[in-house]
Amino acid sequence: EAGVVQSPRYKIIEKKQPVAFWCNPISGHNTLYWYLQNLGQGPELLIRYENEEAVDDSQLPKDRFSAERLKGVDSTLKIQPAELGDSAVYLCASSVTVTTEAFFGQGTRLTVV
Amino acid sequence: QKEVEQNSGPLSVPEGAIASLNCTYSDRGSQSFFWYRQYSGKSPELIMSIYSNGDKEDGRFTAQLNKASQYVSLLIRDSQPSDSATYLCAVNTGGSYIPTFGRGTSLIVHP
Repeated sequence: EAGVVQSPRYKIIEKKQPVAFWCNPISGHNTLYWYLQNLGQGPELLIRYENEEAVDDSQLPKDRFSAERLKGVDSTLKIQPAELGDSAVYLCASSVTVTTEAFFGQGTRLTVV
Repeated sequence: QKEVEQNSGPLSVPEGAIASLNCTYSDRGSQSFFWYRQYSGKSPELIMSIYSNGDKEDGRFTAQLNKASQYVSLLIRDSQPSDSATYLCAVNTGGSYIPTFGRGTSLIVHP
């Protein structure tokens, strides 16, 4: 069974530029998460989807971050414009339901210069 | 107060010893508990999940949950250098079921 797939793996952009991350969850997983992880810290939730509905998005900086999950499968996370402080690893995870184990993709390491 | 607390370590143990990793959480309504392993530069990898009080064993790993004391622990028996990684505790907190992570404990197993 294929795992969670994310792309790109690495991205370097200049500040104020836009950037987008893509995630393909495990087939049949209804719940999808986007996390941000800074060095030496645990993942922090940005947004959770139940099918195509966004829930638990209180930690998403909505002035510059947006996310969507079309048809309840793939998801994209966008930052526009990026700031230096956005440099981090962006992790996508999925689970069958909200109470079951979440499995992570490889992550996207973003560097804003 | 952070909802999920872990000692950042590093915890250093000799090869073959038992490594004990601990995690405390603040939300008494939490129902689901997970341990992840994260190697440097890699994404978190699920090791174990535990949902009820007591012990759950899987190979060299044992998860222990005590809801009354609000802690969950992970024991690694016969530790190997390949177990050297950061171990993340995750708790699905209360009614919102938000998977909240601790900052992780760095484990070093030396030969």
